[in-house]
Amino acid sequence: GENVEQHPSTLSVQEGDSAVIKCTYSDSASNYFPWYKQELGKRPQLIIDIRSNVGEKKDQRIAVTLNKTAKHFSLHITETQPEDSAVYFCAASIGTGGFKTIFGAGTRLFVKA
Amino acid sequence: EAGVAQSPRYKIIEKRQSVAFWCNPISGHATLYWYQQILGQGPKLLIQFQNNGVVDDSQLPKDRFSAERLKGVDSTLKIQPAKLEDSAVYLCASSLTPNNSPLHFGNGTRLTVT
Repeated sequence: GENVEQHPSTLSVQEGDSAVIKCTYSDSASNYFPWYKQELGKRPQLIIDIRSNVGEKKDQRIAVTLNKTAKHFSLHITETQPEDSAVYFCAASIGTGGFKTIFGAGTRLFVKA
Repeated sequence: EAGVAQSPRYKIIEKRQSVAFWCNPISGHATLYWYQQILGQGPKLLIQFQNNGVVDDSQLPKDRFSAERLKGVDSTLKIQPAKLEDSAVYLCASSLTPNNSPLHFGNGTRLTVT
């Protein structure tokens, strides 16, 4: 079925440490994997995305890795800062042609100063 | 560019009442989505439009929810009658292409059903 599993549900790190959030998906045809950040009371906003023809993508302190064989992908945030505190959602396009985007349940990240 | 506009920002109604939400997508975005986000959960797709046609509405509770996008631009989502479990944030999003494209979300409408 259509499913995106996300772990952990809550993550607490010390400022400057790294944070890793992992997701698995069920549809082997999925080929687009965006990550969204949602601050309290605000809209989800895209922070990085990766397509299936790439194994890793980096943008400053944020990186995403993709393992299509194992059907999992991960978000890595290095040198975390208090302003990184938010809920992070992974998502995957599903179905032939990737016409539908399914979200994970979210990870609440706390960065302690 | 102007973002996705939604209104109202908040709405409180009693169960069995009706409510409607409005969305104006980013100019040029042919694909429009309505998601339901219950507190502490990820967004759940209710309906997806490509221009004024429905691409997916498999998770829309059609006995009480309806949505339209008559001219392929603005969209409205209606709930009639509302239930307590409909309390959630209703997010509208749009994207440039219908597949493998990032979603741009509006600020959402927070609905409370009492």
